[in-house]
Amino acid sequence: GAGVSQTPSNKVTEKGKYVELRCDPISGHTALYWYRQSLGQGPEFLIYFQGTGAADDSGLPNDRFFAVRPEGSVSTLKIQRTERGDSAVYLCASSPSGGAGETQYFGPGTRLLVL
Amino acid sequence: EDQVTQSPEALRLQEGESSSLNCSYTVSGLRGLFWYRQDPGKGPEFLFTLYSAGEEKEKERLKATLTKKESFLHITAPKPEDSATYLCAVQARYPGKSTFGDGTTLTVKP
Repeated sequence: GAGVSQTPSNKVTEKGKYVELRCDPISGHTALYWYRQSLGQGPEFLIYFQGTGAADDSGLPNDRFFAVRPEGSVSTLKIQRTERGDSAVYLCASSPSGGAGETQYFGPGTRLLVL
Repeated sequence: EDQVTQSPEALRLQEGESSSLNCSYTVSGLRGLFWYRQDPGKGPEFLFTLYSAGEEKEKERLKATLTKKESFLHITAPKPEDSATYLCAVQARYPGKSTFGDGTTLTVKP
């Protein structure tokens, strides 16, 4: 079946602008995760959704970052007043039920460049 | 705080030259250790999940093992197509967050 999909694949924006990144999880997966990966580093956790609610948003770096999942499927990561330091690959993952120790399956990522 | 350290940062092998990648971890209540492969410009691709010390899993030329403090990814007779970055991650007692290491970049020369 289809894996996790993310759009756009690349996004270039200017400092101070607002961006939205979309994630479509594997069908039937109730848990959804966002990570951020900088060059040469491993993915860094941002937020975890169980259904429609954010179960853990401890990784969001500041209040410019916000994510929603209104119908328990597609999720959108929103970044306000972008800064050059926000440039990274934003990865989305999903898992069947979100249990501890459950494998997370990743999408291809959105490469964000803030000029 | 959960920590994952991978070594070496980079590894260059000749085709057919077997070796191992190391993942050392510190976590309170391990619920799972994961290995992923990541090709340039792509998302991480799942390889293995290990749950308890002594567990081993194999897939083609790859074998993952787990102890109470570290995991090894053994690569037997690698081929150039095995060239990629290999990421290790852990999950602790609470669901959701995976903590990743910074990966080992493997290059296999023909």
